[in-house]
Amino acid sequence: ILNVEQSPQSLHVQEGDSTNFTCSFPSSNFYALHWYRWETAKSPEALFVMTLNGDEKKKGRISATLNTKEGYSYLYIKGSQPEDSATYLCAFQNTGNQFYFGTGTSLTVIP
Amino acid sequence: DAGITQSPRHKVTETGTPVTLRCHQTENHRYMYWYRQDPGHGLRLIHYSYGVKDTDKGEVSDGYSVSRSKTEDFLLTLESATSSQTSVYFCAIKEQGLTEQYFGPGTRLTVT
Repeated sequence: ILNVEQSPQSLHVQEGDSTNFTCSFPSSNFYALHWYRWETAKSPEALFVMTLNGDEKKKGRISATLNTKEGYSYLYIKGSQPEDSATYLCAFQNTGNQFYFGTGTSLTVIP
Repeated sequence: DAGITQSPRHKVTETGTPVTLRCHQTENHRYMYWYRQDPGHGLRLIHYSYGVKDTDKGEVSDGYSVSRSKTEDFLLTLESATSSQTSVYFCAIKEQGLTEQYFGPGTRLTVT
């Protein structure tokens, strides 16, 4: 079983704070790293797909970086808003197109 | 939104009965996946398909079988449901290459 770990497990921040989460994964058989946003009672929604070491992706106030050599990715949220409250999942995609998910970081942004 | 639906959306069944969940897509994507979501475990891959009649096991495949006879449909079958299979089941689709995975709305299955 492949281990994908996310930290912290949960996070409470004030509106306007910037925050970041970590996803760590094994470096063998790596193909891509995916980030998802998952709101309660909805389905996971794709944020980013990254594959190259040093990749950086950005969507509005959310950005992500990838380090495949050491096996980690960071997700950053700048100026958190209450609507950013959700669980953020990362998933390791191997060369066989299988996915292994972390258990997520639950973010609550307090107005 | 990606055209992906799951049926049924909710089901309650008794231990020992067979159950089939259906995932249907209108996107003509090559890959289709079945996951289960349980507290403390996140999403875990049950089975996936890389084409019509081409399927493979995921990390929690015991007790489940799948079939894909058409590009648009991927069926997940619990031959004899057990209480440990009470979960929320998500289907996902993906095109080949460095692309995103799109999830269906989920099916909540309760085995009593």
